Amino acid sequence: GESVGLHLPTLSVQEGDNSIINCAYSNSASDYFIWYKQESGKGPQFIIDIRSNMDKRQGQRVTVLLNKTVKHLSLQIAATQPGDSAVYFCAENDYVSGTYKYIFGTGTRLKVLA
Amino acid sequence: EPEVTQTPSHQVTQMGQEVILRCVPISNHLYFYWYRQILGQKVEFLVSFYNNEISEKSEIFDDQFSVERPDGSNFTLKIRSTKLEDSAMYFCASIEWATNNEQFFGPGTRLTVL
Repeated sequence: GESVGLHLPTLSVQEGDNSIINCAYSNSASDYFIWYKQESGKGPQFIIDIRSNMDKRQGQRVTVLLNKTVKHLSLQIAATQPGDSAVYFCAENDYVSGTYKYIFGTGTRLKVLA
Repeated sequence: EPEVTQTPSHQVTQMGQEVILRCVPISNHLYFYWYRQILGQKVEFLVSFYNNEISEKSEIFDDQFSVERPDGSNFTLKIRSTKLEDSAMYFCASIEWATNNEQFFGPGTRLTVL
């Protein structure tokens, strides 16, 4: 069945270092991927998205990489700051087949160490 | 900046009681969602709603659940007879859809079933 999962439940990084959060997905038909940030007590917040016709997309301090061959997605955060501490979720969607539901992964907690 | 709002922020109810969770999506958005997040777990899709009808629903969204858009602004989730396992955060989300697929989440309603 469909599943989106994360390799590491918790990631601790030093402030100023780069962070890499990984996600594996199993539905090869998924064609749209999103990274969300969830701070304690809040709803998920959109960070960046990527479509399957791309393998890299950059935002402000964030980069998403998509490797469709191995069905792997990663989020890179440059110069990690204390405000980046949160749980990060990847989510996938298969628009082409006509579904509009998003399947979320289990989440990785990012802890930024001062 | 427009945002999705949800009320109440916290709802406590007795098992077997009916609850209605309310959401006001962003005004020009066309696609609406309800998600559930049990404490410490991933965000789970419940239902999507478009053009005044359910577009998709998950296996969680059984006959005890219903959604409604009673007017041009509100989007509600009703649980007819709550169970202990319904205790979770419930998030509403909306997408503009025509030109932007970014999903905006509300702050959530924490439902506690006693």
